[in-house]
Amino acid sequence: NAGVTQTPKFQVLKTGQSMTLQCAQDMNHNSMYWYRQDPGMGLRLIYYSASEGTTDKGEVPNGYNVSRLNKREFSLRLESAAPSQTSVYFCAGSGARVSGANVLTFGAGSRLTVL
Amino acid sequence: AQRVTQPEKLLSVFKGAPVELKCNYSYSGSPELFWYVQYSRQRLQLLLRHISRESIKGFTADLNKGETSFHLKKPFAQEEDSAMYYCALKSAQKLVFGQGTRLTINP
Repeated sequence: NAGVTQTPKFQVLKTGQSMTLQCAQDMNHNSMYWYRQDPGMGLRLIYYSASEGTTDKGEVPNGYNVSRLNKREFSLRLESAAPSQTSVYFCAGSGARVSGANVLTFGAGSRLTVL
Repeated sequence: AQRVTQPEKLLSVFKGAPVELKCNYSYSGSPELFWYVQYSRQRLQLLLRHISRESIKGFTADLNKGETSFHLKKPFAQEEDSAMYYCALKSAQKLVFGQGTRLTINP
């Protein structure tokens, strides 16, 4: 089992460019999340999907869009990247019976730099 | 609003000394709290949750509703405890995380 897989692991963008971070899970999680991690700010929720077909804004959704393509996949899109979006992005899933309700399983992270 | 506060960004203790990482929360209702840990070059992972009332790697955390706290404690720190620690609160269908505390255990 791969768990929660994020791609790419590293990306450098220029201001104004667009990109999509991909996340896939094979743990049968019902819910999926995108967080960003910044020094001194902790983990902040960008968007989440409580179940297939639904998405909701988190704490810091501006500048991002998401798609819950199916139960396995939850992508995060930056339409026009800004330097303030330089961060480490984490995808996570929860709700799988093996891990227990409300327990998040995280991906390895994607380090994004916007110049 | 639901909020988690970890007042210490950095904490440094010597090996064998007691460790306490502070976590305070604000929540209207019955809280469900967690500690997550990120070791160097590893993924964020669950350390423990208050409903389990368990001790993991020697760590314990007690929910104190009167003080709205969920401090993480270990009586004797080990070098392998050096990591980033996050306190988290379940709010509706998501987890709200604190700012994190970087714990360094000195030999």
